[in-house]
Amino acid sequence: DAMVIQNPRYQVTQFGKPVTLSCSQTLNHNVMYWYQQKSSQAPKLLFHYYDKDFNNEADTPDNFQSRRPNTSFCFLDIRSPGLGDAAMYLCATSRLQGGTEAFFGQGTRLTVV
Amino acid sequence: GESVGLHLPTLSVQEGDNSIINCAYSNSASDYFIWYKQESGKGPQFIIDIRSNMDKRQGQRVTVLLNKTVKHLSLQIAATQPGDSAVYFCAEELNDMRFGAGTRLTVKP
Repeated sequence: DAMVIQNPRYQVTQFGKPVTLSCSQTLNHNVMYWYQQKSSQAPKLLFHYYDKDFNNEADTPDNFQSRRPNTSFCFLDIRSPGLGDAAMYLCATSRLQGGTEAFFGQGTRLTVV
Repeated sequence: GESVGLHLPTLSVQEGDNSIINCAYSNSASDYFIWYKQESGKGPQFIIDIRSNMDKRQGQRVTVLLNKTVKHLSLQIAATQPGDSAVYFCAEELNDMRFGAGTRLTVKP
């Protein structure tokens, strides 16, 4: 049974058109992460939440925002997608902030046309 | 800033041989490390972890070694199988989780 669910698996959006990716978890974990992964590269941390505390990476573009309305759900909003934002977006959860493994969803493959 | 990195981008082994995948980290404060396996089109999957107060940890067919003196982490896979073909990432977790560059393992029949 999937524990971290990302929807949709594949998303095509137009250049400049806002898009939202979603992630839900059934693990009741406190920490949720969003990563961007481009082809043949490692996942790059965009931001993470510890409960409601939001932590933004310094090099995450302003174009990317996140919301976590409750423990189970987290959203990645891309306000004006550019061609360079095409990537796999991975959501992960962890029980604690540090010292525990993270569980990943299957990712959302974003294409920008 | 400090980050986790890998020595080799690709590794090709014969089925049945042992594989060793290496990782270097630079943050001496890191206290928890994880190896993940990622198959094409899927999210990373946990393989094994190790805390900084340990030097070695074994799982089923996998062993992780941690050398804090030289800030080096390795993943050993015994009797490598075709199903082990994937990209392997080490990750460092302190207050968040960061990945190294990854090694693509190819197992030849």
